[in-house]
Amino acid sequence: NAGVTQTPKFRVLKTGQSMTLLCAQDMNHEYMYWYRQDPGMGLRLIHYSVGEGTTAKGEVPDGYNVSRLKKQNFLLGLESAAPSQTSVYFCASSFGTSGFFYNEQFFGPGTRLTVL
Amino acid sequence: SQQGEEDPQALSIQEGENATMNCSYKTSINNLQWYRQNSGRGLVHLILIRSNEREKHSGRLRVTLDTSKKSSSLLITASRAADTASYFCASRLTGTASKLTFGTGTRLQVTL
Repeated sequence: NAGVTQTPKFRVLKTGQSMTLLCAQDMNHEYMYWYRQDPGMGLRLIHYSVGEGTTAKGEVPDGYNVSRLKKQNFLLGLESAAPSQTSVYFCASSFGTSGFFYNEQFFGPGTRLTVL
Repeated sequence: SQQGEEDPQALSIQEGENATMNCSYKTSINNLQWYRQNSGRGLVHLILIRSNEREKHSGRLRVTLDTSKKSSSLLITASRAADTASYFCASRLTGTASKLTFGTGTRLQVTL
């Protein structure tokens, strides 16, 4: 199993450009998440999804949109990139809250995005 | 400020020594988890402790939780160079549907 994969691994954008980050998981997880990681800030939740067709805002959702059309995929979009969105983006997934797993999250390798 | 604050921000020890890092949080939690992040990689889950537990062990890891002080500690015994990484605590707040709030992390350097 590949676990959680992210594409692309690196990307450089100019201010105002748009792009989509793709996250895929093959563990049949219900929940998926997008985080950004900035130096000294830890991980901050951007958006998350508790199932196919559902999305919800996290701590820092402004400037981002997401879609969960298929259970295994979670897309993060930047409509008009800004330098403040320069960051490392991580996708994660987990089972639901019931049962043994208690929402341990599995992370992808990250996407390093630079906005000039 | 962050829900999870970790202390120290950086820690340097020699191989074979024990490493202790602490995490404080502000509001009621369902559980608290610790993750490791190697440089340039994603986070990997290490251990989870529930709010009704006080101590948990997993191999060389020992986690404690003090809900009265809203704090947790992670002890790595007999550290190895391969333990060099950043360590994050993550708390699942009571009433939140599977969301975790991450701390700012402790960078651990283990030298030979």
